[in-house]
Amino acid sequence: QKEVEQNSGPLSVPEGAIASLNCTYSDRGSQSFFWYRQYSGKSPELIMFIYSNGDKEDGRFTAQLNKASQYVSLLIRDSQPSDSATYLCANRGAGGTSYGKLTFGQGTILTVHP
Amino acid sequence: DGGITQSPKYLFRKEGQNVTLSCEQNLNHDAMYWYRQDPGQGLRLIYYSQIVNDFQKGDIAEGYSVSREKKESFPLTVTSAQKNPTAFYLCASTPGRGNYGYTFGSGTRLTVV
Repeated sequence: QKEVEQNSGPLSVPEGAIASLNCTYSDRGSQSFFWYRQYSGKSPELIMFIYSNGDKEDGRFTAQLNKASQYVSLLIRDSQPSDSATYLCANRGAGGTSYGKLTFGQGTILTVHP
Repeated sequence: DGGITQSPKYLFRKEGQNVTLSCEQNLNHDAMYWYRQDPGQGLRLIYYSQIVNDFQKGDIAEGYSVSREKKESFPLTVTSAQKNPTAFYLCASTPGRGNYGYTFGSGTRLTVV
């Protein structure tokens, strides 16, 4: 089992729709979770992070965390063509040896079509 | 402005050659990381460093080497022992312990010719 696994893509949604990206993780001690957006040929940029169970909203983005189910998701409301990118889920494990190290999923390609 | 600078942006390596990728940060971050990304895949950890003069192997360290002589710098050498080095290499940093995300450099695309 992969440590961090994302729903297989690619995902295609029409402009204005809600895009839902999902991620599961195996380390029950994981403390924090991050969503990165990566445009083709560019480096990832952080768009959301979440530490506590529940929802966290920032503009059109909502991150949802359920530690009991080891599940984290990202919802993008009113999707725009500019949201078309690869979305990477990452978590930080528990324990002092992790020292900030993130484990990434394989990414989900999102395409928003006009 | 603070950030991470990776150079060069594109690098071509001949068979049997060692090459070094540069990563410099002026964020005063303690921890630095090197990841490799292959097409259609996520990021895989090569090496990381928590403090100067100390570093640890990641998941795919074979064929790579690093040094951390200064807090600001964490160069990665891709040696001739790395048989499939063509990939996108990303350097990142964080302040250290705590719930911080990464700041990434702009990446180096390495191609074997």
